[in-house]
Amino acid sequence: NAGVTQTPKFRVLKTGQSMTLLCAQDMNHEYMYWYRQDPGMGLRLIHYSVGEGTTAKGEVPDGYNVSRLKKQNFLLGLESAAPSQTSVYFCASTPGLAEYQETQYFGPGTRLLVL
Amino acid sequence: SQKIEQNSEALNIQEGKTATLTCNYTNYSPAYLQWYRQDPGRGPVFLLLIRENEKEKRKERLKVTFDTTLKQSLFHITASQPADSATYLCAPATGYSTLTFGKGTMLLVSP
Repeated sequence: NAGVTQTPKFRVLKTGQSMTLLCAQDMNHEYMYWYRQDPGMGLRLIHYSVGEGTTAKGEVPDGYNVSRLKKQNFLLGLESAAPSQTSVYFCASTPGLAEYQETQYFGPGTRLLVL
Repeated sequence: SQKIEQNSEALNIQEGKTATLTCNYTNYSPAYLQWYRQDPGRGPVFLLLIRENEKEKRKERLKVTFDTTLKQSLFHITASQPADSATYLCAPATGYSTLTFGKGTMLLVSP
């Protein structure tokens, strides 16, 4: 099992450009999450999904959109990148919410620099 | 609003000693709380989960306590080793399907 993978690992964008970050998991997990991590701010939840075809907003959703068309993939889109979106983005997944299934498994992260 | 506090200052200890990290939360009552380890340039890795009806949980050299009256969790690493040096994040459950992560405390274990 590869676990949770993220593509790309690193990207530089110019202000106003768009891009999509891909998260894939091969553990058949129901729930998937996108976080951003900034120095001094900790991990903040952007959007999450509790199953294929569902999405929900987290703490900092503005400027981002997500889609979960397939159970194993969770896409994070930036329609018009801004310098404030420079961050490290982490994807995570969890089997579900039954007891002993709440552990989150994280990907290696995507470093995004918006100039 | 919900708030999670971890000591922002790095904790420096000597090898072999016990490291104790603190997580305080306010304005809510999580059903469970998780602790994660994060190494530089990597994603967090799950360590332990403790539920509101559990006082203490152990795993090898790790121990977590959960005091719902004080709204506090303590994370202990006994017989610490340089390889334990990392940032440790606490994450109380904040909803039916989400966690909120503290900013983390960096632990530095010197030989």
